[in-house]
Amino acid sequence: GAVVSQHPSRVICKSGTSVKIECRSLDFQATTMFWYRQFPKQSLMLMATSNEGSKATYEQGVEKDKFLINHASLTLSTLTVTSAHPEDSSFYICSARAPDRGNSPLHFGNGTRLTVT
Amino acid sequence: GESVGLHLPTLSVQEGDNSIINCAYSNSASDYFIWYKQESGKGPQFIIDIRSNMDKRQGQRVTVLLNKTVKHLSLQIAATQPGDSAVYFCAEPTIYNQGGKLIFGQGTELSVKP
Repeated sequence: GAVVSQHPSRVICKSGTSVKIECRSLDFQATTMFWYRQFPKQSLMLMATSNEGSKATYEQGVEKDKFLINHASLTLSTLTVTSAHPEDSSFYICSARAPDRGNSPLHFGNGTRLTVT
Repeated sequence: GESVGLHLPTLSVQEGDNSIINCAYSNSASDYFIWYKQESGKGPQFIIDIRSNMDKRQGQRVTVLLNKTVKHLSLQIAATQPGDSAVYFCAEPTIYNQGGKLIFGQGTELSVKP
């Protein structure tokens, strides 16, 4: 079945530094991927839609200059948290759906736990 | 606006019992719903989905019921096992059949007692 992989699974960084998170579709090509954020004991909130070959679409309230998204190939999207602060500490999860699978549900990566100290 | 929410944040059941997790939605035009299971430290895992032209759909040990009159759906897990312990989310696409921007409910944490 479709598999989405994220790397790293955990990362700790110092305040002010940048962190890059990778999301890969392993057995299918994804022209569109989605980035979600999840705070402890809360639900997933969509941050942005990553579009291969074009600019990402950000949800209201999400700073595009802080959360840089690059979707340079059909199997890879990256999310870079720039100038990270402790309040950016969260669980970041990407998702994708194989384009030839009709209404098949989204497949999610296993998330990246970001801790900013 | 659109919203998908859950009635109970936590549910504790005895192993072997059946579990019922509820979800309410507000948009009467919603036509597709998905249930996800999220284990600790992992991403959501697809369980089962249902379209609005159905009232019930069954999978392996799981059943989803949809009541469009009261805008409510439920996930029933039969013979609950310790491995079922997780947070369960109902979700609804904001754009159907276009790649899946999802709105998630708040989640219900299911705890199975041995």
